[in-house]
Parts: sequence; structure tokens; C-alpha cells
Amino acid sequence: AQSVTQLDSQVPVFEEAPVELRCNYSSSVSVYLFWYVQYPNQGLQLLLKYLSGSTLVKGINGFEAEFNKSQTSFHLRKPSVHISDTAEYFCAVSDTGGSYIPTFGRGTSLIVHP
Amino acid sequence: NAGVTQTPKFQVLKTGQSMTLQCAQDMNHEYMSWYRQDPGMGLRLIHYSVGAGITDQGEVPNGYNVSRSTTEDFPLRLLSAAPSQTSVYFCASRRGTGDTEAFFGQGTRLTVV
Repeated sequence: AQSVTQLDSQVPVFEEAPVELRCNYSSSVSVYLFWYVQYPNQGLQLLLKYLSGSTLVKGINGFEAEFNKSQTSFHLRKPSVHISDTAEYFCAVSDTGGSYIPTFGRGTSLIVHP
Repeated sequence: NAGVTQTPKFQVLKTGQSMTLQCAQDMNHEYMSWYRQDPGMGLRLIHYSVGAGITDQGEVPNGYNVSRSTTEDFPLRLLSAAPSQTSVYFCASRRGTGDTEAFFGQGTRLTVV
């Protein structure tokens, strides 16, 4: 079994500032890691994913995330946010040899102020 | 590209009524699942299916039934609606390997009065 903890329920930030959304996971086996974004009144869509290899992964809309195995973390970053980045962000994990049903964190609401 | 289609988008039910939320995908994905999203709770898995004829319970299955007679369709049935089932429901599908992303429908906003 695995679990995901998103440490911040809400992150307010000003436009053009950098942002980091934190995600920690626990699992007894190797995992795949994902970040999804949910814009208001829409379903979730994939931002980026880590499968193997380079620990720094780049996604859509200028977002990137770094996998840290020793700290069991997969934090999401963007160097300069826009108003349009205001959304809910979900971290998810699925194990590499099991049912492949991902476990989601509780979400972080990113609020970008002008 | 239709992807994952959920109907209806909005629904109001009276306590005790039954209804079916529809979900269809056109990507030939093996895995399909239903989640409910409540404020501060994130996404909680209700039921999932790893292929036609195979379903299993998730974290919060009580009050819901599912079946999967075809690869494309995965309906969610509320047998006797309760106010606690007021939520936004999402259907998702993915290929049968863990390294692939899940594709989500647009959601069904259900209110039980």
C-alpha cells in the first residue's frame, strides 16, 4: 500500500514569483509519481510524471518536479507563475508491480494574485 | 478525440432516489475507476475495474454499485441516495500498465436533498 501527503492545502503567491508545491509519499515498493492539475469546474489533466532515469522531470506550462528517493519527495516547482496557473494540484503515486490504481494526495490549491 | 465522457454534468436527487452516472471511454483502456471529490478530502476511490467483467471496491464503496460489461462503459449506480453522497464524481481510465497517466472525465456534480 502507498500513501501521499501534500503538505500545504493552500499556497498563495504573487504573479511572476516562484512557487513550490510539496509532495511526500510512502511505499514499500518502487513507485511511479505523477502531478495533475485541475482547473475550476474541470477534470484532472496530467502535468508531468516520473517513471525512471533523470530525477528532474519537466512538464507542461513550465512546471518541473524533482524526485528525491532518500526523502521520498516529489515537489513541484515553477520559476515564475501566471494568473492562469491558479488551480488545484494533485500529487499521485502508483506502484510498479501492483494494481496500478493511483493513490492521490488531498490536493494543493495554488492561488496566484496579480 | 472524445476521451472519457461522463453524463450527466449536473444532477439533483431526492433522498432515497436511485440513479446511474454514466462513463464511457473510447481509448480501449483496460483500467477504469470512479472517484468522489469533496472539499479538503482530495480524490477518494469508490470502485475500479481492471477489465470487462472484473470490478473491485476502493476506499469508499458503500452505497454504490458498478458493473463492467464492455471495455468502453463503466456506470456507477447509487441505489438509495443520501445527503452524504453530495459530491463531485469523476470517472478515469488508463492503460493496464502503471507507468501511464489516467485520463479523467469532466465530472458530475451531484446534490442530494
